Amino acid sequence: AQSVTQLGSHVSVSEGALVLLRCNYSSSVPPYLFWYVQYPNQGLQLLLKYTTGATLVKGINGFEAEFKKSETSFHLTKPSAHMSDAAEYFCAVSDQGDDKIIFGKGTRLHILP
Amino acid sequence: GAVVSQHPSRVICKSGTSVKIECRSLDFQATTMFWYRQFPKKSLMLMATSNEGSKATYEQGVEKDKFLINHASLTLSTLTVTSAHPEDSSFYICSARVPHYEQYFGPGTRLTVT
Repeated sequence: AQSVTQLGSHVSVSEGALVLLRCNYSSSVPPYLFWYVQYPNQGLQLLLKYTTGATLVKGINGFEAEFKKSETSFHLTKPSAHMSDAAEYFCAVSDQGDDKIIFGKGTRLHILP
Repeated sequence: GAVVSQHPSRVICKSGTSVKIECRSLDFQATTMFWYRQFPKKSLMLMATSNEGSKATYEQGVEKDKFLINHASLTLSTLTVTSAHPEDSSFYICSARVPHYEQYFGPGTRLTVT
């Protein structure tokens, strides 16, 4: 069965600093991997996704993530944090050909002025 | 991009009553929609998969008689919480699937049962 582990329920970075949100997954078959962002009292917005091909995936708002099969990881990064990046971030996994998406528990990103 | 709407965005109901939440795909047809429940400061829990024209598939532990799901058309799925109780208070989010394995999420519905 698939699962997702997000390390750190809360991460704080200073404005302008590197953002690194960690995600490890477990899947018995090649996975599809996703990062979503959720602002308070709103639904989820897709930041980026990995399906096949290039392992470094670029998303919206300057975020990117790298699929590392050997490490079963899909960490999310952004070179320079902005105050507007403060939100909840969810890593998610699904098996190729499966409709279900399994979410991690989320990481709350705090941006310090 | 694809837009999914939910109505209402917020609802307060009395214990014992039923409440219906609508999920619409506004600019695309979705053969599959999903319903999630999100507890405060928690992740999203998949409740059920809704397929147009057929019965919904519920996840283990989700009471199908309590959470009635209807997917009557390619653009509309509804979730009805029957005989609601305070423990059903939560944030309910739907999503709709489009080709190329993308899910688009609605803005969510905050249900409060008093």
